Amino acid sequence: KAGVTQTPRYLIKTRGQQVTLSCSPISGHRSVSWYQQTPGQGLQFLFEYFSETQRNKGNFPGRFSGRQFSNSRSEMNVSTLELGDSALYLCASSLGQGIHGYTFGSGTRLTVV
Amino acid sequence: QQQVKQSPQSLIVQKGGISIINCAYENTAFDYFPWYQQFPGKGPALLIAIRPDVSEKKEGRFTISFNKSAKQFSLHIMDSQPGDSATYFCTPSGNTPLVFGKGTRLSVIA
Repeated sequence: KAGVTQTPRYLIKTRGQQVTLSCSPISGHRSVSWYQQTPGQGLQFLFEYFSETQRNKGNFPGRFSGRQFSNSRSEMNVSTLELGDSALYLCASSLGQGIHGYTFGSGTRLTVV
Repeated sequence: QQQVKQSPQSLIVQKGGISIINCAYENTAFDYFPWYQQFPGKGPALLIAIRPDVSEKKEGRFTISFNKSAKQFSLHIMDSQPGDSATYFCTPSGNTPLVFGKGTRLSVIA
């Protein structure tokens, strides 16, 4: 079966711009989580959605936002990009929170210049 | 993020040797203890997981040992192979988002 699909795979943006990343979960998975991975901070939790509702949010500024659609696909948006937002953004889906294990996509590599 | 402490940060093991990675956690509400494996350019992938009602679980060359009273669990890779070279993360969870440790970069050399 198809895995978690993230688009685009690579993105280069300029400081001050905004960006939208997309995640299509495994069919039947209703929980989608987003993570930011950087060499310095490692993997940090951004937010989690379940059935179109945000269930948890990490410690990131309000410039980071997300949403989930009725088909469980999710998007995250980063506004007013900063150089420090350069990272690998990973999406993970699961049947439910935590217990069922998560399947990660290959990520979107965002570079802010 | 300080809820999970993983050690060592990096590990070099000879091919055929045993790799051991440790994880200590603080939140006693955690009830699912997985290890994820990540190769460069890829997202993490679930490798093996254990629930707190057992002390050990083995899947092929990979074994999790769990010590509930010490709030620690470890990953043992027997007969380590160069293809095992990756970054490993312990991610204890419960009714909470995954909490990642800093990761352990394993290099298996021939």
